Amino acid sequence: DQQVKQNSPSLSVQEGRISILNCDYTNSMFDYFLWYKKYPAEGPTFLISISSIKDKNEDGRFTVFLNKSAKHLSLHIVPSQPGDSAVYFCAGASYGKLTFGQGTILTVHP
Amino acid sequence: DGGITQSPKYLFRKEGQNVTLSCEQNLNHDAMYWYRQDPGQGLRLIYYSQIVNDFQKGDIAEGYSVSREKKESFPLTVTSAQKNPTAFYLCASSITGTYDTDTQYFGPGTRLTVL
Repeated sequence: DQQVKQNSPSLSVQEGRISILNCDYTNSMFDYFLWYKKYPAEGPTFLISISSIKDKNEDGRFTVFLNKSAKHLSLHIVPSQPGDSAVYFCAGASYGKLTFGQGTILTVHP
Repeated sequence: DGGITQSPKYLFRKEGQNVTLSCEQNLNHDAMYWYRQDPGQGLRLIYYSQIVNDFQKGDIAEGYSVSREKKESFPLTVTSAQKNPTAFYLCASSITGTYDTDTQYFGPGTRLTVL
């Protein structure tokens, strides 16, 4: 039973355009969501988070949107840069434990 | 310079041997975690510890063991009972492990290959 799903294994975007990464979840007990960015052979780094009582959180080029009724969240990166190329994981938090999606490989072309 | 260290970066072992992966943090965090990442999959929780001398099984604890004798250290032993031990292992820590708002910070990972 996969509680967090990232249905797009990969996404390719032109530099300067918007990147939209999507994530769906089934566990209604998640009350906090996080996005992590990961380069090959390295540990994930925290990017941005959102509480379930909010529908939007913004930090520079990164914005996370939460649609609780649809159990869907998305990460928007504007404008996309080649250095953003990495694997992006979304995660739901409940009782201090994280459940991760499978990840989406983002490639930003110059 | 605070952070989480994992050693070694790459580890090779023969099938049937136990192997211990190191994880150390100097962030003064109470909680520590072990995850495993396989190709095309997300991170799956193996074990976690919210306080010294206490730890809990995660979603895929079979074939693994841990100890938490010191706050800064949370070693993971991959035993011969683990059927598919070859994977990328990640250690993380957070301030308390109690609140969902506690961000987990990750180490650089150890790539274990069992031959």
